[in-house]
Amino acid sequence: QKEVEQDPGPLSVPEGAIVSLNCTYSNSAFQYFMWYRQYSRKGPELLMYTYSSGNKEDGRFTAQVDKSSKYISLFIRDSQPSDSATYLCAMSEGSGTYKYIFGTGTRLKVLA
Amino acid sequence: NAGVTQTPKFRVLKTGQSMTLLCAQDMNHEYMYWYRQDPGMGLRLIHYSVGEGTTAKGEVPDGYNVSRLKKQNFLLGLESAAPSQTSVYFCASSPGQGRSNQPQHFGDGTRLSIL
Repeated sequence: QKEVEQDPGPLSVPEGAIVSLNCTYSNSAFQYFMWYRQYSRKGPELLMYTYSSGNKEDGRFTAQVDKSSKYISLFIRDSQPSDSATYLCAMSEGSGTYKYIFGTGTRLKVLA
Repeated sequence: NAGVTQTPKFRVLKTGQSMTLLCAQDMNHEYMYWYRQDPGMGLRLIHYSVGEGTTAKGEVPDGYNVSRLKKQNFLLGLESAAPSQTSVYFCASSPGQGRSNQPQHFGDGTRLSIL
């Protein structure tokens, strides 16, 4: 079993829809949770970074962490065609660690 | 404000050839990393460095070597390229131990094909 599981998609939604992207994990020691966006032929770009449980909002993006269920989510409101990309979740145990575990990514297509 | 810069962006090699991938960061980060990204496999850590002059093996180090002679640069070498090393290679950096809790920042990758 992988430490981090992420549905590969693709997930297709109409423009303006609310998108929900999710990851599950097995290591209860994870404390830091990240979401990256990766456009085709580009490197992962950090979108959201949260510590422990709870919600964090940044514009149209909301990250949610439920440590009791070992489940994290990224919500995108009012989705745009420019949001079409692959979204990677990532996790680590502590600050200053070298070890980050990445999901395999979910491919999202927002249709105009 | 370049962040993490990788060169070259594309390269085609023949089996057995050698090459070096270059990574430079201008954020004064202590930690640097080399990953490879393959379809369905996600990002896999090849080697990493926690400071100038230090390197360590990651998850998939075989066939690769690295050097960190300067804090801002991290080099990835393939001594004798094999078709299994065809991949997209990403360099990343992060502040490191004792710094503010910031995650990794990535370059735009090097696409490497081994024929």
